Parts: sequence; C-alpha cells; structure tokens
Amino acid sequence: EPEVTQTPSHQVTQMGQEVILRCVPISNHLYFYWYRQILGQKVEFLVSFYNNEISEKSEIFDDQFSVERPDGSNFTLKIRSTKLEDSAMYFCASKVDRGGTEAFFGQGTRLTVV
Amino acid sequence: AQSVTQLGSHVSVSEGALVLLRCNYSSSVPPYLFWYVQYPNQGLQLLLKYTSAATLVKGINDFEAEFKKSETSFHLTKPSAHMSDAAEYFCAVSPSSGSARQLTFGSGTQLTVLP
Repeated sequence: EPEVTQTPSHQVTQMGQEVILRCVPISNHLYFYWYRQILGQKVEFLVSFYNNEISEKSEIFDDQFSVERPDGSNFTLKIRSTKLEDSAMYFCASKVDRGGTEAFFGQGTRLTVV
Repeated sequence: AQSVTQLGSHVSVSEGALVLLRCNYSSSVPPYLFWYVQYPNQGLQLLLKYTSAATLVKGINDFEAEFKKSETSFHLTKPSAHMSDAAEYFCAVSPSSGSARQLTFGSGTQLTVLP
C-alpha cells in the first residue's frame, strides 16, 4: 500500500540552527501539506502546496518557514532559525486531489530544539 | 472559518463496552468530516470520513459515525471496545469548497480500554 514517508523520525537541533524535514508524498498525489503537533496539543495546519506553490498557509507559517518540492518526489519543510517553541511533531500529508478524498499522513518527524 | 470541539479529553471504557467519542463542528460552508486515530509513536490513520453522501458512515475496525447537521455533530461509535482500540482519536473538518481544503483538528480524545 502506498504511504507517505518522512525522514528523519527524530531530529535534535540547537536553537538558531536551520533544519530541513523531508517527506516523500504518495506518487500520484497533487496536494501536499505540513501540520505540526506540539506535545499535548492539537494538530495544527501549517501550509499547503500545489502546483509548485503555496496554496494556503496559517499564521504559524511565518518567514522562518519555507517549503519546497525540489525534485518532483520530495517535499521539504525548512525552518531557518529554530526556536525552542518549534519543538513539535511535524506531519507531512498528501492528497490525490482537493476534493473529499482523505489526506494520507506520514509517521511524523519529532523535532526537539535544545 | 471552521472549528472542531471534542468533548472529553480522556474517555475510559471497559473491554466489550460501547465506545462513544463526541465531536461537534462549526463551519461556514458545508463541511467534510473525518476521524483519525493516532497510536503511540505513530502517524495519523484515517478511520472514516463524511463527504456529503450517506450520513451514517462506516469505517475500519467496526467504527462508525453519524453526521447530524441539526446538531452539528459527528460522534464516533463502536459497539464493542477492544484493548487494541486504546489510542488518541482526532475529529477533523475541512471545507467542501475552496482551494487547499486543509484540515482543522479537534484537541483529541485519549481512549483507554480497561480489561
């Protein structure tokens, strides 16, 4: 069964460092998303991406964040200068289209900023 | 704008008992509704979805949910709980129109199944 894969599963970084979280969406999917879940809190939408550009983004997704689909298979989330409050589980998701079909989620990357 | 409220952050049931997890939504456009389950240290797995077809939706592992527009609810039920159902459950809503149609999640309900 096709699945969304995320690497690494766990990343520890020092405050102020740049991190790149990687995702490989399901191959025929066209819409891509990043969500995050701070420990003990709800899953929050960060950004959606379609046709090589951002479709929508939340207020969380500030200038420190960027997304890219560099090679037609990977979908990355970059945090330019990490803060302690960026510590969270980051989920990548993809959908085949923007209709009612469900989003398929990856296993997540747990980011710990120290 | 859309939002989801899950009543009860923790629910405990005995093995074999009925599971009822409550979800109410608010949406300015007709919604699509979803229930996801998250097992420890794993990602989000779709249990079931409502996308404006039948109001009673059946999902995996004998879970089902009923969309009630008059009550703006989408409660999740299972007739008989198994130990393996212990997990966190998230209700989510997305708009049925618009561009990206991202999900808005509830706060989650941790289900404990007692032997």
